[in-house]
Amino acid sequence: SAVISQKPSRDICQRGTSLTIQCQVDSQVTMMFWYRQQPGQSLTLIATANQGSEATYESGFVIDKFPISRPNLTFSTLTVSNMSPEDSSIYLCSVEDPGVNTEAFFGQGTRLTVV
Amino acid sequence: GQNIDQPTEMTATEGAIVQINCTYQTSGFNGLFWYQQHAGEAPTFLSYNVLDGLEEKGRFSSFLSRSKGYSYLLLKELQMKDSASYLCAVRANDYKLSFGAGTTVTVRA
Repeated sequence: SAVISQKPSRDICQRGTSLTIQCQVDSQVTMMFWYRQQPGQSLTLIATANQGSEATYESGFVIDKFPISRPNLTFSTLTVSNMSPEDSSIYLCSVEDPGVNTEAFFGQGTRLTVV
Repeated sequence: GQNIDQPTEMTATEGAIVQINCTYQTSGFNGLFWYQQHAGEAPTFLSYNVLDGLEEKGRFSSFLSRSKGYSYLLLKELQMKDSASYLCAVRANDYKLSFGAGTTVTVRA
């Protein structure tokens, strides 16, 4: 199994600012994903972040708003840029390692409130 | 894309059994997951099905029928701590997960 450390666990930010969320895994993993969970909603995939390639974004999400880094096989960051109250959500990173594990593992999430 | 349906809410009594159904329509299938999520916390893995049939893990079991696009999660001997949201998620061939809206289970004493 993979253990994921995600930080910060929560933050309250002013609108117009940016927040970078870090995801550290205790083993090398091929695939990392970033999800958003808005209040009362289920999880929605933001982007896929695989090492050695540019992140690929889902419909409705763009790189300028959610830039992602994946410098190595154990680490990734997601930045929420120019925040507005609508960005208030829980952000979660997830990892999968095809051929090693069958399940997707999740970080503990970052609860973001934009005021 | 994926279309995943599950009931919004279910209520059951402590010690009882509850079955949460999930139906899906998918353009590619590479497994179905059930996750438990308590309020304010990250989802935790419960079960995984990729072949038809029943997978049993303690008090929790999950069933899959790929031809029918159908799964269920069975929770037995319900405990108060089982009150949570249960998420059905389908994995596509590119390993992306698509989640249902979640079923909130309330266990009453």
